[in-house]
Amino acid sequence: GQQVMQIPQYQHVQEGEDFTTYCNSSTTLSNIQWYKQRPGGHPVFLIQLVKSGEVKKQKRLTFQFGEAKKNSSLHITATQTTDVGTYFCAGRKYNFNKFYFGSGTKLNVKP
Amino acid sequence: GAVVSQHPSRVICKSGTSVKIECRSLDFQATTMFWYRQFPKQSLMLMATSNEGSKATYEQGVEKDKFLINHASLTLSTLTVTSAHPEDSSFYICSASPGESGYTFGSGTRLTVV
Repeated sequence: GQQVMQIPQYQHVQEGEDFTTYCNSSTTLSNIQWYKQRPGGHPVFLIQLVKSGEVKKQKRLTFQFGEAKKNSSLHITATQTTDVGTYFCAGRKYNFNKFYFGSGTKLNVKP
Repeated sequence: GAVVSQHPSRVICKSGTSVKIECRSLDFQATTMFWYRQFPKQSLMLMATSNEGSKATYEQGVEKDKFLINHASLTLSTLTVTSAHPEDSSFYICSASPGESGYTFGSGTRLTVV
């Protein structure tokens, strides 16, 4: 079953609005990764977070890892139509060499 | 950057036949590769971990005899869907990591069993 939960499932925004997707795990994670999958494409790695409370930025994207390393978020400022796609988080537990994906958040941006 | 090549991209087969999907790391060696399955509009479900030179590790609920995995070299892992049925129709995708950072995914294989 799902080991990493992600919300919301869908998000429709007007271009220029902000967007946030959240990931939650019932267990402490070693690290968490974020991926973007465009319609018809395959997941593309965005970033990895390792440290408790870590915050990383990539242009308009801000990634956070919770203090307890059980949750994470991806925030997009001023969305653009090129941001359309499904965003997945993938968490890895300690002592496990594999990642489990969240259910994904599908983002649609209206021009 | 690291590239993972997956073939075929699409395959249609008849029920009862077997289909082999290849996953290659082109510019790095991968002792471990991962196989996922993705249903329409759903997330990626980890099926198994492919280990070079040893048996694959399957996730709970995944039939070992149904989904045969072979990882004979440091750059190639194969997934064979045996005696395919329509319910096996799905998007299969592999991934591998060139290092400590993120995993690189293949382009996926769309399997349709008729």
